[in-house]
Amino acid sequence: DVKVTQSSRYLVKRTGEKVFLECVQDMDHENMFWYRQDPGLGLRLIYFSYDVKMKEKGDIPEGYSVSREKKERFSLILESASTNQTSMYLCASSFRGVTGELFFGEGSRLTVL
Amino acid sequence: RKEVEQDPGPFNVPEGATVAFNCTYSNSASQSFFWYRQDCRKEPKLLMSVYSSGNEDGRFTAQLNRASQYISLLIRDSKLSDSATYLCVVSDSWGKLQFGAGTQVVVTP
Repeated sequence: DVKVTQSSRYLVKRTGEKVFLECVQDMDHENMFWYRQDPGLGLRLIYFSYDVKMKEKGDIPEGYSVSREKKERFSLILESASTNQTSMYLCASSFRGVTGELFFGEGSRLTVL
Repeated sequence: RKEVEQDPGPFNVPEGATVAFNCTYSNSASQSFFWYRQDCRKEPKLLMSVYSSGNEDGRFTAQLNRASQYISLLIRDSKLSDSATYLCVVSDSWGKLQFGAGTQVVVTP
């Protein structure tokens, strides 16, 4: 079974804090993604990566950065958290060239006060 | 305008009944189509792909109408365990996925 593990299920941070969200997958997937999910807006792509040390901006990259130093690990970084970044963050992975089937982690619910 | 639009629901369905709902997409160049299921407080999971000719997977039937740019999902003989949010997902020619906000289905005893 594919497993995508996100480091924290729930986080509470203060405005201006640096936040790290970590994601690890165990299926040797090339592609990894970070989404945020907000009520009424669906999942929106923040960043994605098709290979180690490679990253591409998604639809809403502002205020975020990512790191992919190893194939299995994809980190999302909020350099200076703001209240409008309160959201559910979902990491996903897939094989290269395979569209449609993403395997998601359980999500990290971040609250920024 | 959102690229993928869904009726948020909820669709309240008696157990054993049939429910159907649609999803519209704005990009006529969209290539691939999918339905995902998301249970409350859980991650989304692929339910089924949607093929041009329509396809079934057990009690679930998906249809694609390219001319009118919508896809549909029909659930027959609804079970309590079908209660979930169903996400419509559309892929462009580059493989980029666009997610709808979801349609909530509540199956009642």
